[in-house]
Amino acid sequence: GAGVSQSPSNKVTEKGKDVELRCDPISGHTALYWYRQSLGQGLEFLIYFQGNSAPDKSGLPSDRFSAERTGGSVSTLTIQRTQQEDSAVYLCASSPTSGSYYEQYFGPGTRLTVT
Amino acid sequence: AQSVTQPDIHITVSEGASLELRCNYSYGATPYLFWYVQSPGQGLQLLLKYFSGDTLVQGIKGFEAEFKRSQSSFNLRKPSVHWSDAAEYFCAVARSTGGGNKLTFGTGTQLKVEL
Repeated sequence: GAGVSQSPSNKVTEKGKDVELRCDPISGHTALYWYRQSLGQGLEFLIYFQGNSAPDKSGLPSDRFSAERTGGSVSTLTIQRTQQEDSAVYLCASSPTSGSYYEQYFGPGTRLTVT
Repeated sequence: AQSVTQPDIHITVSEGASLELRCNYSYGATPYLFWYVQSPGQGLQLLLKYFSGDTLVQGIKGFEAEFKRSQSSFNLRKPSVHWSDAAEYFCAVARSTGGGNKLTFGTGTQLKVEL
């Protein structure tokens, strides 16, 4: 079946611009996660959505970062007023609600370059 | 807070040789443990996971890992490495209690396979 998809695959933006990154989870998966992979920080958790519960935003690095999940499916990560340190690969993952609840399936990522 | 240490940043092995990648975790209770592999330009693929029960777990592509509580370790092994195993490997831990299943990753081990 279809896996997690992310768009765009690459994004180059100028410092100070806003960007939106999209994630389409696996159909039926109720949990959705965003992670960031950068040279300096490695792989780090950003935000987690589970069903209709309030998201866990504890990993967001600043208030310039926000995310939403519409209809329990597609998610958008928004970075406002981008900075050079935001350059990284942004990974999305989803997992089912039961059984392999903790098994996360990752998308290919969006590589963000801030110039 | 939980943490994961992968002490080897780079490892080089000859094709056909055995492989062991080290992972140590810090977590107060029994953790949920994972190994992921990332090929260049790709997302993360789950190799195997440990939740409970048998401490030796089998994964895909001929990999296995052993959970040793006394050593707080979850080392990844493969008896005979193939050239296609060259990639970056990440150990990760998820909380087994409390809300949220966010993964905490190690810094990764880059595996090079010599032909």
